[in-house]
Amino acid sequence: AQRVTQPEKLLSVFKGAPVELKCNYSYSGSPELFWYVQYSRQRLQLLLRHISRESIKGFTADLNKGETSFHLKKPFAQEEDSAMYYCALNSGSARQLTFGSGTQLTVLP
Amino acid sequence: DTEVTQTPKHLVMGMTNKKSLKCEQHMGHRAMYWYKQKAKKPPELMFVYSYEKLSINESVPSRFSPECPNSSLLNLHLHALQPEDSALYLCASSRDRTSSYEQYFGPGTRLTVT
Repeated sequence: AQRVTQPEKLLSVFKGAPVELKCNYSYSGSPELFWYVQYSRQRLQLLLRHISRESIKGFTADLNKGETSFHLKKPFAQEEDSAMYYCALNSGSARQLTFGSGTQLTVLP
Repeated sequence: DTEVTQTPKHLVMGMTNKKSLKCEQHMGHRAMYWYKQKAKKPPELMFVYSYEKLSINESVPSRFSPECPNSSLLNLHLHALQPEDSALYLCASSRDRTSSYEQYFGPGTRLTVT
């Protein structure tokens, strides 16, 4: 069975500091991984997907199949990055999203 | 139009009421989803429709009844709900269920069952 683990429920960093949100997954097949973000009072939206290998809003995430990880990183956090971040795995014959429990990121001034 | 819309935004209903949640998208997406999200928790998948056919029902109680009248619309009919069903109900759509296309989420309907 597939599983997504985000070990940090809460994460606080100061503005300008690097930030890393951890995500580990468990899946026997070829995973498709995403980061979704939910800003306060806004809808859940896609931030990154591993297949596109792009940088969005300064965030990057690299799929490490050896460590089964897909950590989200940003070198210099901004206050507007404060939000709930969900790592999600698209897997199985049903191709349904399995979400991690989420990490609430707070960027302090 | 790249949005998923949901109505109503808020709904308060008694345990004996019958109500419906509505979801609409005009992006030509052929997969649509219902999720339930409790406060500070991730979305939990309830139903998946693919090409207007129900393809996944995640063991949801029968008091929740989904309907997909056409490729743009998705309804969730509610009847005899319990207070523990109070949550944010999210609709999402994606181009196709069988690939890694992203899911677009609606703003949700906040449901309170009294």
